[in-house]
Amino acid sequence: QKEVEQDPGPLSVPEGAIVSLNCTYSNSAFQYFMWYRQYSRKGPELLMYTYSSGNKEDGRFTAQVDKSSKYISLFIRDSQPSDSATYLCAMSSISSGSARQLTFGSGTQLTVLP
Amino acid sequence: EAGVAQSPRYKIIEKRQSVAFWCNPISGHATLYWYQQILGQGPKLLIQFQNNGVVDDSQLPKDRFSAERLKGVDSTLKIQPAKLEDSAVYLCASTSTGGAYEQYFGPGTRLTVT
Repeated sequence: QKEVEQDPGPLSVPEGAIVSLNCTYSNSAFQYFMWYRQYSRKGPELLMYTYSSGNKEDGRFTAQVDKSSKYISLFIRDSQPSDSATYLCAMSSISSGSARQLTFGSGTQLTVLP
Repeated sequence: EAGVAQSPRYKIIEKRQSVAFWCNPISGHATLYWYQQILGQGPKLLIQFQNNGVVDDSQLPKDRFSAERLKGVDSTLKIQPAKLEDSAVYLCASTSTGGAYEQYFGPGTRLTVT
């Protein structure tokens, strides 16, 4: 069993739709949760970061973490064609001193149709 | 602030040949990572450096892969000899230390082994 499982997609939605992207994890040591966005032929870029259960909102994006269920989600409201990309969830355990290591999901490819 | 630079962007080689990738991290970032991203999968950590020392290379196939980070700045990743299954995008990322969670990725090098 992989440490991080992500709905593979691909996902295709009309412009303006609400998008839900999800990941589950098995490692209880994961305490930090991130969503990266990766455009075609580009490196991933950090979209959102959270470490507590609950919701965190940033503009049209909401990250949700449920540590009891080991489940995280990213919601995109009023989706735009420019949101078309691959979305990667990533997780990290607590570490002291050196920078953290990330474990990534396999990514969900999203296409928002105009 | 300049981002993470990688070269070459694309490389096509035959199996059993050797190849090298170069990465220049963001200035001042002490921690550097090399990832392998196979098509349809998330990035998989190969090696992590802090300054010019190796923090973790447990997932690096050491019989064919090698990496170095001279003077704690630029890094090179080498594959010798290459196998068909090495076809992937090789991503370099960097971050500051002190428990930093955000990794900054370069555009990657797309390797095709024929």
